[in-house]
Amino acid sequence: NAGVTQTPKFQVLKTGQSMTLQCAQDMNHNSMYWYRQDPGMGLRLIYYSASEGTTDKGEVPNGYNVSRLNKREFSLRLESAAPSQTSVYFCASSGLGQITQYFGPGTRLTVL
Amino acid sequence: LAKTTQPISMDSYEGQEVNITCSHNNIATNDYITWYQQFPSQGPRFIIQGYKTKVTNEVASLFIPADRKSSTLSLPRVSLSDTAVYYCLVGDLWAAGNKLTFGGGTRVLVKP
Repeated sequence: NAGVTQTPKFQVLKTGQSMTLQCAQDMNHNSMYWYRQDPGMGLRLIYYSASEGTTDKGEVPNGYNVSRLNKREFSLRLESAAPSQTSVYFCASSGLGQITQYFGPGTRLTVL
Repeated sequence: LAKTTQPISMDSYEGQEVNITCSHNNIATNDYITWYQQFPSQGPRFIIQGYKTKVTNEVASLFIPADRKSSTLSLPRVSLSDTAVYYCLVGDLWAAGNKLTFGGGTRVLVKP
């Protein structure tokens, strides 16, 4: 039982490049989330998926797209990366009737 | 979503008890209170959750007064390894997606 896994762990992009961050959970959770955390700050919700087949915007969705591929996987795509998107990205999941979210180890992204 | 307010930082010494109070004046009837801990370069980790009165587990205690407008996380006999950022969140267990708002958290520094 690996919990929540994220790939890659680190990534450096040039401005304008695109990439997809992958997230998978093996806890049979319905809901999945993507957050970003800037240095010294709290987490901000980018997008979330309450259940398979649905996605909704969070607090800071601009510049991102998501796909809930199946119940296990939730990916985050940056179509044209900008330096302002330099951050640590966390994926999380939670089960039905649970407020507790389980977090992955994070992806540290730098956009030059 | 209920907004929370907590101190920015607290210092303590090994072996002391640390109490962090969180204010959530507009908490809703269905909201639960949850605390997370985050170490540097890691995702947040669930510590404790409660609805009213007192909850205790092997890590911490959570005190919630009758009006539920605040809560206090108590960490008994802290060690250096308890140095972390602690987040207080409130949310509805049964709300679709369980969107949570992470504020800036409280940075706890435990000194020798």
